[in-house]
Amino acid sequence: NAGVTQTPKFQVLKTGQSMTLQCAQDMNHEYMSWYRQDPGMGLRLIHYSVGAGITDQGEVPNGYNVSRSTTEDFPLRLLSAAPSQTSVYFCASSRNNRGGYEQYFGPGTRLTVT
Amino acid sequence: AQTVTQSQPEMSVQEAETVTLSCTYDTSESDYYLFWYKQPPSRQMILVIRQEAYKQQNATENRFSVNFQKAAKSFSLKISDSQLGDAAMYFCAYRTSYGGSQGNLIFGKGTKLSVKP
Repeated sequence: NAGVTQTPKFQVLKTGQSMTLQCAQDMNHEYMSWYRQDPGMGLRLIHYSVGAGITDQGEVPNGYNVSRSTTEDFPLRLLSAAPSQTSVYFCASSRNNRGGYEQYFGPGTRLTVT
Repeated sequence: AQTVTQSQPEMSVQEAETVTLSCTYDTSESDYYLFWYKQPPSRQMILVIRQEAYKQQNATENRFSVNFQKAAKSFSLKISDSQLGDAAMYFCAYRTSYGGSQGNLIFGKGTKLSVKP
Protein backbone atom coordinates (compact mmCIF):
# COMPACT_ATOMS: atom_id res chain seq x y z
CA ASN A 1 0.00 0.00 0.00
CA ALA A 2 1.97 3.03 -1.27
CA GLY A 3 -0.59 5.71 -0.26
CA VAL A 4 -0.27 8.87 -2.35
CA THR A 5 2.67 9.07 -4.72
CA GLN A 6 3.89 12.10 -6.63
CA THR A 7 6.46 12.45 -9.38
CA PRO A 8 8.82 14.12 -9.85
CA LYS A 9 10.13 15.26 -6.44
CA PHE A 10 12.01 18.20 -7.95
CA GLN A 11 11.68 20.00 -11.26
CA VAL A 12 13.20 23.07 -12.88
CA LEU A 13 11.39 24.63 -15.82
CA LYS A 14 12.02 27.60 -18.03
CA THR A 15 9.33 30.22 -18.47
CA GLY A 16 6.85 29.11 -21.10
CA GLN A 17 7.52 25.39 -20.82
CA SER A 18 4.73 22.99 -20.00
CA MET A 19 4.79 19.92 -17.84
CA THR A 20 2.61 17.47 -15.94
CA LEU A 21 2.92 16.65 -12.26
CA GLN A 22 1.81 13.11 -11.65
CA CYS A 23 -0.26 11.95 -8.68
CA ALA A 24 -1.57 8.49 -7.90
CA GLN A 25 -3.26 6.84 -4.92
CA ASP A 26 -3.97 3.18 -4.25
CA MET A 27 -6.58 3.59 -1.49
CA ASN A 28 -9.63 3.77 -3.78
CA HIS A 29 -10.35 7.29 -2.56
CA GLU A 30 -13.10 9.30 -4.23
CA TYR A 31 -11.65 12.69 -3.43
CA MET A 32 -8.34 14.02 -4.72
CA SER A 33 -6.90 17.50 -4.69
CA TRP A 34 -3.89 19.62 -5.57
CA TYR A 35 -2.43 22.33 -3.35
CA ARG A 36 0.42 24.73 -3.68
CA GLN A 37 2.43 25.84 -0.66
CA ASP A 38 4.21 29.16 -0.63
CA PRO A 39 6.08 30.71 2.32
CA GLY A 40 3.68 32.50 4.67
CA MET A 41 0.62 31.47 2.61
CA GLY A 42 -0.23 28.03 3.96
CA LEU A 43 -1.71 25.53 1.51
CA ARG A 44 -3.95 26.87 -1.20
CA LEU A 45 -6.26 24.65 -3.23
CA ILE A 46 -5.66 24.60 -6.99
CA HIS A 47 -8.13 21.99 -8.27
CA TYR A 48 -10.01 19.09 -6.82
CA SER A 49 -12.02 16.05 -7.89
CA VAL A 50 -14.84 14.23 -6.13
CA GLY A 51 -14.66 11.22 -8.45
CA ALA A 52 -13.52 9.97 -11.84
CA GLY A 53 -14.65 12.34 -14.56
CA ILE A 54 -15.48 15.17 -12.12
CA THR A 55 -13.14 18.07 -11.47
CA ASP A 56 -13.56 21.62 -10.23
CA GLN A 57 -11.53 24.71 -9.49
CA GLY A 58 -10.16 25.68 -6.14
CA GLU A 59 -8.84 28.99 -4.86
CA VAL A 60 -5.92 29.44 -7.31
CA PRO A 61 -6.69 27.56 -10.57
CA ASN A 62 -5.25 29.94 -13.16
CA GLY A 63 -2.45 28.44 -15.24
CA TYR A 64 -3.26 24.86 -14.27
CA ASN A 65 -5.39 22.09 -15.77
CA VAL A 66 -6.48 18.76 -14.34
CA SER A 67 -8.34 15.67 -15.46
CA ARG A 68 -9.46 12.54 -13.67
CA SER A 69 -9.97 9.64 -16.04
CA THR A 70 -9.47 6.97 -13.36
CA THR A 71 -10.04 6.81 -9.60
CA GLU A 72 -6.31 6.34 -9.02
CA ASP A 73 -4.72 9.16 -11.02
CA PHE A 74 -5.05 12.94 -10.85
CA PRO A 75 -2.37 14.71 -12.92
CA LEU A 76 -1.80 18.46 -12.75
CA ARG A 77 -0.74 20.23 -15.95
CA LEU A 78 1.10 23.51 -16.11
CA LEU A 79 0.23 24.97 -19.48
CA SER A 80 2.89 27.66 -19.82
CA ALA A 81 5.09 27.91 -16.75
CA ALA A 82 5.64 31.30 -15.13
CA PRO A 83 8.01 32.31 -12.30
CA SER A 84 4.91 32.91 -10.12
CA GLN A 85 4.31 29.15 -10.25
CA THR A 86 7.53 28.45 -8.38
CA SER A 87 6.20 26.59 -5.36
CA VAL A 88 5.88 23.26 -3.60
CA TYR A 89 2.95 21.23 -4.92
CA PHE A 90 1.07 18.65 -2.90
CA CYS A 91 -1.43 16.09 -4.08
CA ALA A 92 -3.84 14.69 -1.50
CA SER A 93 -6.66 12.18 -1.32
CA SER A 94 -9.37 11.12 1.10
CA ARG A 95 -12.28 8.75 1.12
CA ASN A 96 -14.57 11.66 0.40
CA ASN A 97 -14.86 15.32 1.37
CA ARG A 98 -18.00 15.11 3.42
CA GLY A 99 -16.69 14.72 6.92
CA GLY A 100 -13.86 13.85 9.22
CA TYR A 101 -11.95 11.55 6.92
CA GLU A 102 -8.22 12.06 7.02
CA GLN A 103 -6.71 13.63 3.95
CA TYR A 104 -3.52 11.81 2.94
CA PHE A 105 -0.78 13.81 1.31
CA GLY A 106 1.90 12.91 -1.17
CA PRO A 107 5.53 13.87 -0.49
CA GLY A 108 5.34 17.02 -2.60
CA THR A 109 7.05 18.36 -5.73
CA ARG A 110 9.35 21.35 -5.51
CA LEU A 111 9.01 23.28 -8.76
CA THR A 112 11.26 26.14 -9.79
CA VAL A 113 10.46 28.24 -12.85
CA THR A 114 13.31 30.40 -14.13
CA ALA B 1 -16.85 31.70 3.15
CA GLN B 2 -15.03 29.96 5.92
CA THR B 3 -11.64 31.21 7.04
CA VAL B 4 -8.98 29.83 9.36
CA THR B 5 -6.56 32.10 11.20
CA GLN B 6 -3.35 31.16 12.96
CA SER B 7 -2.12 34.31 14.62
CA GLN B 8 1.30 33.01 15.71
CA PRO B 9 3.69 32.69 12.75
CA GLU B 10 6.41 31.29 15.02
CA MET B 11 6.56 29.76 18.48
CA SER B 12 9.35 28.34 20.59
CA VAL B 13 9.30 25.86 23.48
CA GLN B 14 11.88 24.27 25.74
CA GLU B 15 12.18 20.52 25.51
CA ALA B 16 9.90 18.72 28.01
CA GLU B 17 7.70 21.79 28.47
CA THR B 18 4.18 22.50 27.22
CA VAL B 19 3.21 24.77 24.36
CA THR B 20 -0.16 25.86 22.95
CA LEU B 21 -0.72 26.82 19.34
CA SER B 22 -3.73 29.01 18.57
CA CYS B 23 -6.29 28.70 15.79
CA THR B 24 -9.52 30.55 15.21
CA TYR B 25 -12.01 30.05 12.42
CA ASP B 26 -15.03 31.71 11.01
CA THR B 27 -18.10 29.78 9.87
CA SER B 28 -21.87 29.99 9.95
CA GLU B 29 -22.25 26.23 9.94
CA SER B 30 -22.97 24.07 12.96
CA ASP B 31 -21.59 20.77 11.71
CA TYR B 32 -17.94 20.62 10.70
CA TYR B 33 -14.56 19.09 11.44
CA LEU B 34 -11.29 20.61 12.55
CA PHE B 35 -7.82 19.21 12.07
CA TRP B 36 -4.24 19.87 13.05
CA TYR B 37 -1.57 18.79 10.58
CA LYS B 38 2.17 18.67 11.22
CA GLN B 39 4.77 19.32 8.52
CA PRO B 40 8.32 18.48 9.63
CA PRO B 41 11.37 19.52 7.57
CA SER B 42 10.84 16.39 5.44
CA ARG B 43 7.83 18.25 4.00
CA GLN B 44 5.44 15.33 4.60
CA MET B 45 2.03 16.41 5.91
CA ILE B 46 0.95 14.30 8.91
CA LEU B 47 -2.42 14.38 10.64
CA VAL B 48 -1.95 15.07 14.35
CA ILE B 49 -5.49 15.26 15.66
CA ARG B 50 -9.08 15.87 14.55
CA GLN B 51 -12.20 17.18 16.29
CA GLU B 52 -15.85 16.79 15.36
CA ALA B 53 -17.80 19.97 16.09
CA TYR B 54 -20.77 18.05 17.50
CA LYS B 55 -18.59 16.48 20.18
CA GLN B 56 -18.12 18.57 23.29
CA GLN B 57 -15.25 16.43 24.54
CA ASN B 58 -11.85 17.65 23.47
CA ALA B 59 -9.84 15.23 21.33
CA THR B 60 -6.60 13.78 22.69
CA GLU B 61 -3.83 11.80 21.02
CA ASN B 62 -1.02 10.91 23.42
CA ARG B 63 0.87 14.17 24.13
CA PHE B 64 -1.37 16.19 21.83
CA SER B 65 -4.70 17.59 22.91
CA VAL B 66 -7.03 20.32 21.75
CA ASN B 67 -9.06 22.99 23.47
CA PHE B 68 -12.18 23.30 21.32
CA GLN B 69 -14.38 26.28 22.15
CA LYS B 70 -17.25 26.14 19.65
CA ALA B 71 -18.95 29.36 20.67
CA ALA B 72 -15.68 31.26 20.50
CA LYS B 73 -14.71 29.45 17.26
CA SER B 74 -11.36 28.57 18.74
CA PHE B 75 -9.36 25.36 18.29
CA SER B 76 -5.97 25.42 20.00
CA LEU B 77 -3.43 22.59 20.06
CA LYS B 78 -1.55 21.76 23.25
CA ILE B 79 1.67 19.78 23.04
CA SER B 80 2.80 18.38 26.39
CA ASP B 81 6.31 17.17 27.23
CA SER B 82 7.66 18.68 24.01
CA GLN B 83 10.27 16.66 22.15
CA LEU B 84 12.84 17.67 19.57
CA GLY B 85 10.86 15.73 16.97
CA ASP B 86 7.89 18.05 17.51
CA ALA B 87 9.75 20.84 15.73
CA ALA B 88 7.71 21.47 12.58
CA MET B 89 5.20 23.70 10.87
CA TYR B 90 1.71 23.13 12.25
CA PHE B 91 -1.41 23.83 10.20
CA CYS B 92 -4.95 24.17 11.46
CA ALA B 93 -7.63 23.14 8.95
CA TYR B 94 -11.43 23.22 8.67
CA ARG B 95 -13.85 21.11 6.68
CA THR B 96 -17.61 21.32 6.45
CA SER B 97 -19.75 18.20 6.77
CA TYR B 98 -21.66 18.89 3.61
CA GLY B 99 -19.26 17.86 0.86
CA GLY B 100 -19.47 19.05 -2.73
CA SER B 101 -17.72 22.28 -3.53
CA GLN B 102 -17.80 23.21 0.16
CA GLY B 103 -16.07 20.09 1.36
CA ASN B 104 -12.49 21.09 0.71
CA LEU B 105 -10.04 21.51 3.56
CA ILE B 106 -9.39 25.16 4.39
CA PHE B 107 -5.96 25.73 5.91
CA GLY B 108 -4.52 28.43 8.11
CA LYS B 109 -1.15 29.89 7.21
CA GLY B 110 0.71 27.80 9.76
CA THR B 111 2.77 28.18 12.92
CA LYS B 112 6.44 27.24 12.90
CA LEU B 113 7.34 25.55 16.17
CA SER B 114 10.94 25.37 17.35
CA VAL B 115 11.98 23.10 20.23
CA LYS B 116 15.06 24.08 22.23
CA PRO B 117 17.13 21.33 23.88
